[in-house]
Amino acid sequence: DADVTQTPRNRITKTGKRIMLECSQTKGHDRMYWYRQDPGLGLRLIYYSFDVKDINKGEISDGYSVSRQAQAKFSLSLESAIPNQTALYFCATSDPSGGADTQYFGPGTRLTVL
Amino acid sequence: KNEVEQSPQNLTAQEGEFITINCSYSVGISALHWLQQHPGGGIVSLFMLSSGKKKHGRLIATINIQEKHSSLHITASHPRDSAVYICAVELIYFQHRGSEKLVFGKGTKLTVNP
Repeated sequence: DADVTQTPRNRITKTGKRIMLECSQTKGHDRMYWYRQDPGLGLRLIYYSFDVKDINKGEISDGYSVSRQAQAKFSLSLESAIPNQTALYFCATSDPSGGADTQYFGPGTRLTVL
Repeated sequence: KNEVEQSPQNLTAQEGEFITINCSYSVGISALHWLQQHPGGGIVSLFMLSSGKKKHGRLIATINIQEKHSSLHITASHPRDSAVYICAVELIYFQHRGSEKLVFGKGTKLTVNP
């Protein structure tokens, strides 16, 4: 079974709709991240969380919100989706203990906003 | 100006060839990551480097901190190596709070033909 899972894997929605993307992990990591990937651009950080009570904005947080319901769960919401939020969204986890802070990515959610 | 530049953007090789992908960055970093994104979209971490060289199977990653440059080499390339290879750097000014904000390059698309 995958260590980092995302639901849904694909979603098509309309402008103005509220959308929630969910991420779950079984790695026991405190740190979780949400990124978006657009064609021709690198991955960009939306929000990150170092534990349940520590949530921080990334470089492109406008139009998004997050909820860290538990250590294992980190959800991303689009309050009122707009077409330029069409992108591939990735959740990731990491654990800095041991000195090698490798990031583990989920499979991605392809979101299309019409 | 992009903080992380990768070259080439696209690379086509014949099976068995030696591959080199380059990454240059313009900011102070604490570490550099190489990631592999499969055609299906999934992302896997290959290496994390803060100095020197690391090797895993046919993959070798090197970093020169003074020159702000890293290379990813693939020996005896194979069609299954076809993927997008992404360089990402951890910005050093985030270290004071233990974060590791990653800045990503746009990726190098590698195609290895049989």
